[in-house]
Amino acid sequence: GIQVEQSPPDLILQEGANSTLRCNFSDSVNNLQWFHQNPWGQLINLFYIPSGTKQNGRLSATTVATERYSLLYISSSQTTDSGVYFCAALRGNQGGKLIFGQGTELSVKP
Amino acid sequence: GAVVSQHPSWVICKSGTSVKIECRSLDFQATTMFWYRQFPKQSLMLMATSNEGSKATYEQGVEKDKFLINHASLTLSTLTVTSAHPEDSSFYICSARIGGPEAFFGQGTRLTVV
Repeated sequence: GIQVEQSPPDLILQEGANSTLRCNFSDSVNNLQWFHQNPWGQLINLFYIPSGTKQNGRLSATTVATERYSLLYISSSQTTDSGVYFCAALRGNQGGKLIFGQGTELSVKP
Repeated sequence: GAVVSQHPSWVICKSGTSVKIECRSLDFQATTMFWYRQFPKQSLMLMATSNEGSKATYEQGVEKDKFLINHASLTLSTLTVTSAHPEDSSFYICSARIGGPEAFFGQGTRLTVV
């Protein structure tokens, strides 16, 4: 099956700083999603981005499908951005199974 | 937008008892739902695929007799942890898709077995 790797595993930022999180995947995908897991465990959908670039406020994401990676950009970080960010990928012949990376734990300090 | 709801949000049970977790799609029908498990400081691991009207498909290493899945309607899948033991304590979370590939997740259920 598809392998999904995220980097870095941990990241500590000062409030107001920018950051880039990376997600590499081992095969072509028809779905690539970014999630933020809040302290209560809920997964918040950030982006559905199998290819191209999207922006939503201070967050943006780019997926280069031909090179099998996706990037999540967080600008002007806030303490509320803290948590774990996951990317997850789906191949068309995998029965709809979304495979998660190991996550990046982000801590934004005031 | 799509909403997937889980119940309960947390549960504590005694070792040896069974616990049922519900996953509902609130504003859409889901022929397929997925159950994941997450241990502390780890990623989400797919346990099984729940198919409406047919048997669930379990991932390798997941005991089907221990984790019973029932998908009796287009809006409800249930996961029953049978004869729970402390090592089953974990965060269980379900997901569903409306029809396209984007997945939406429930709020999760934190199970503690004492």
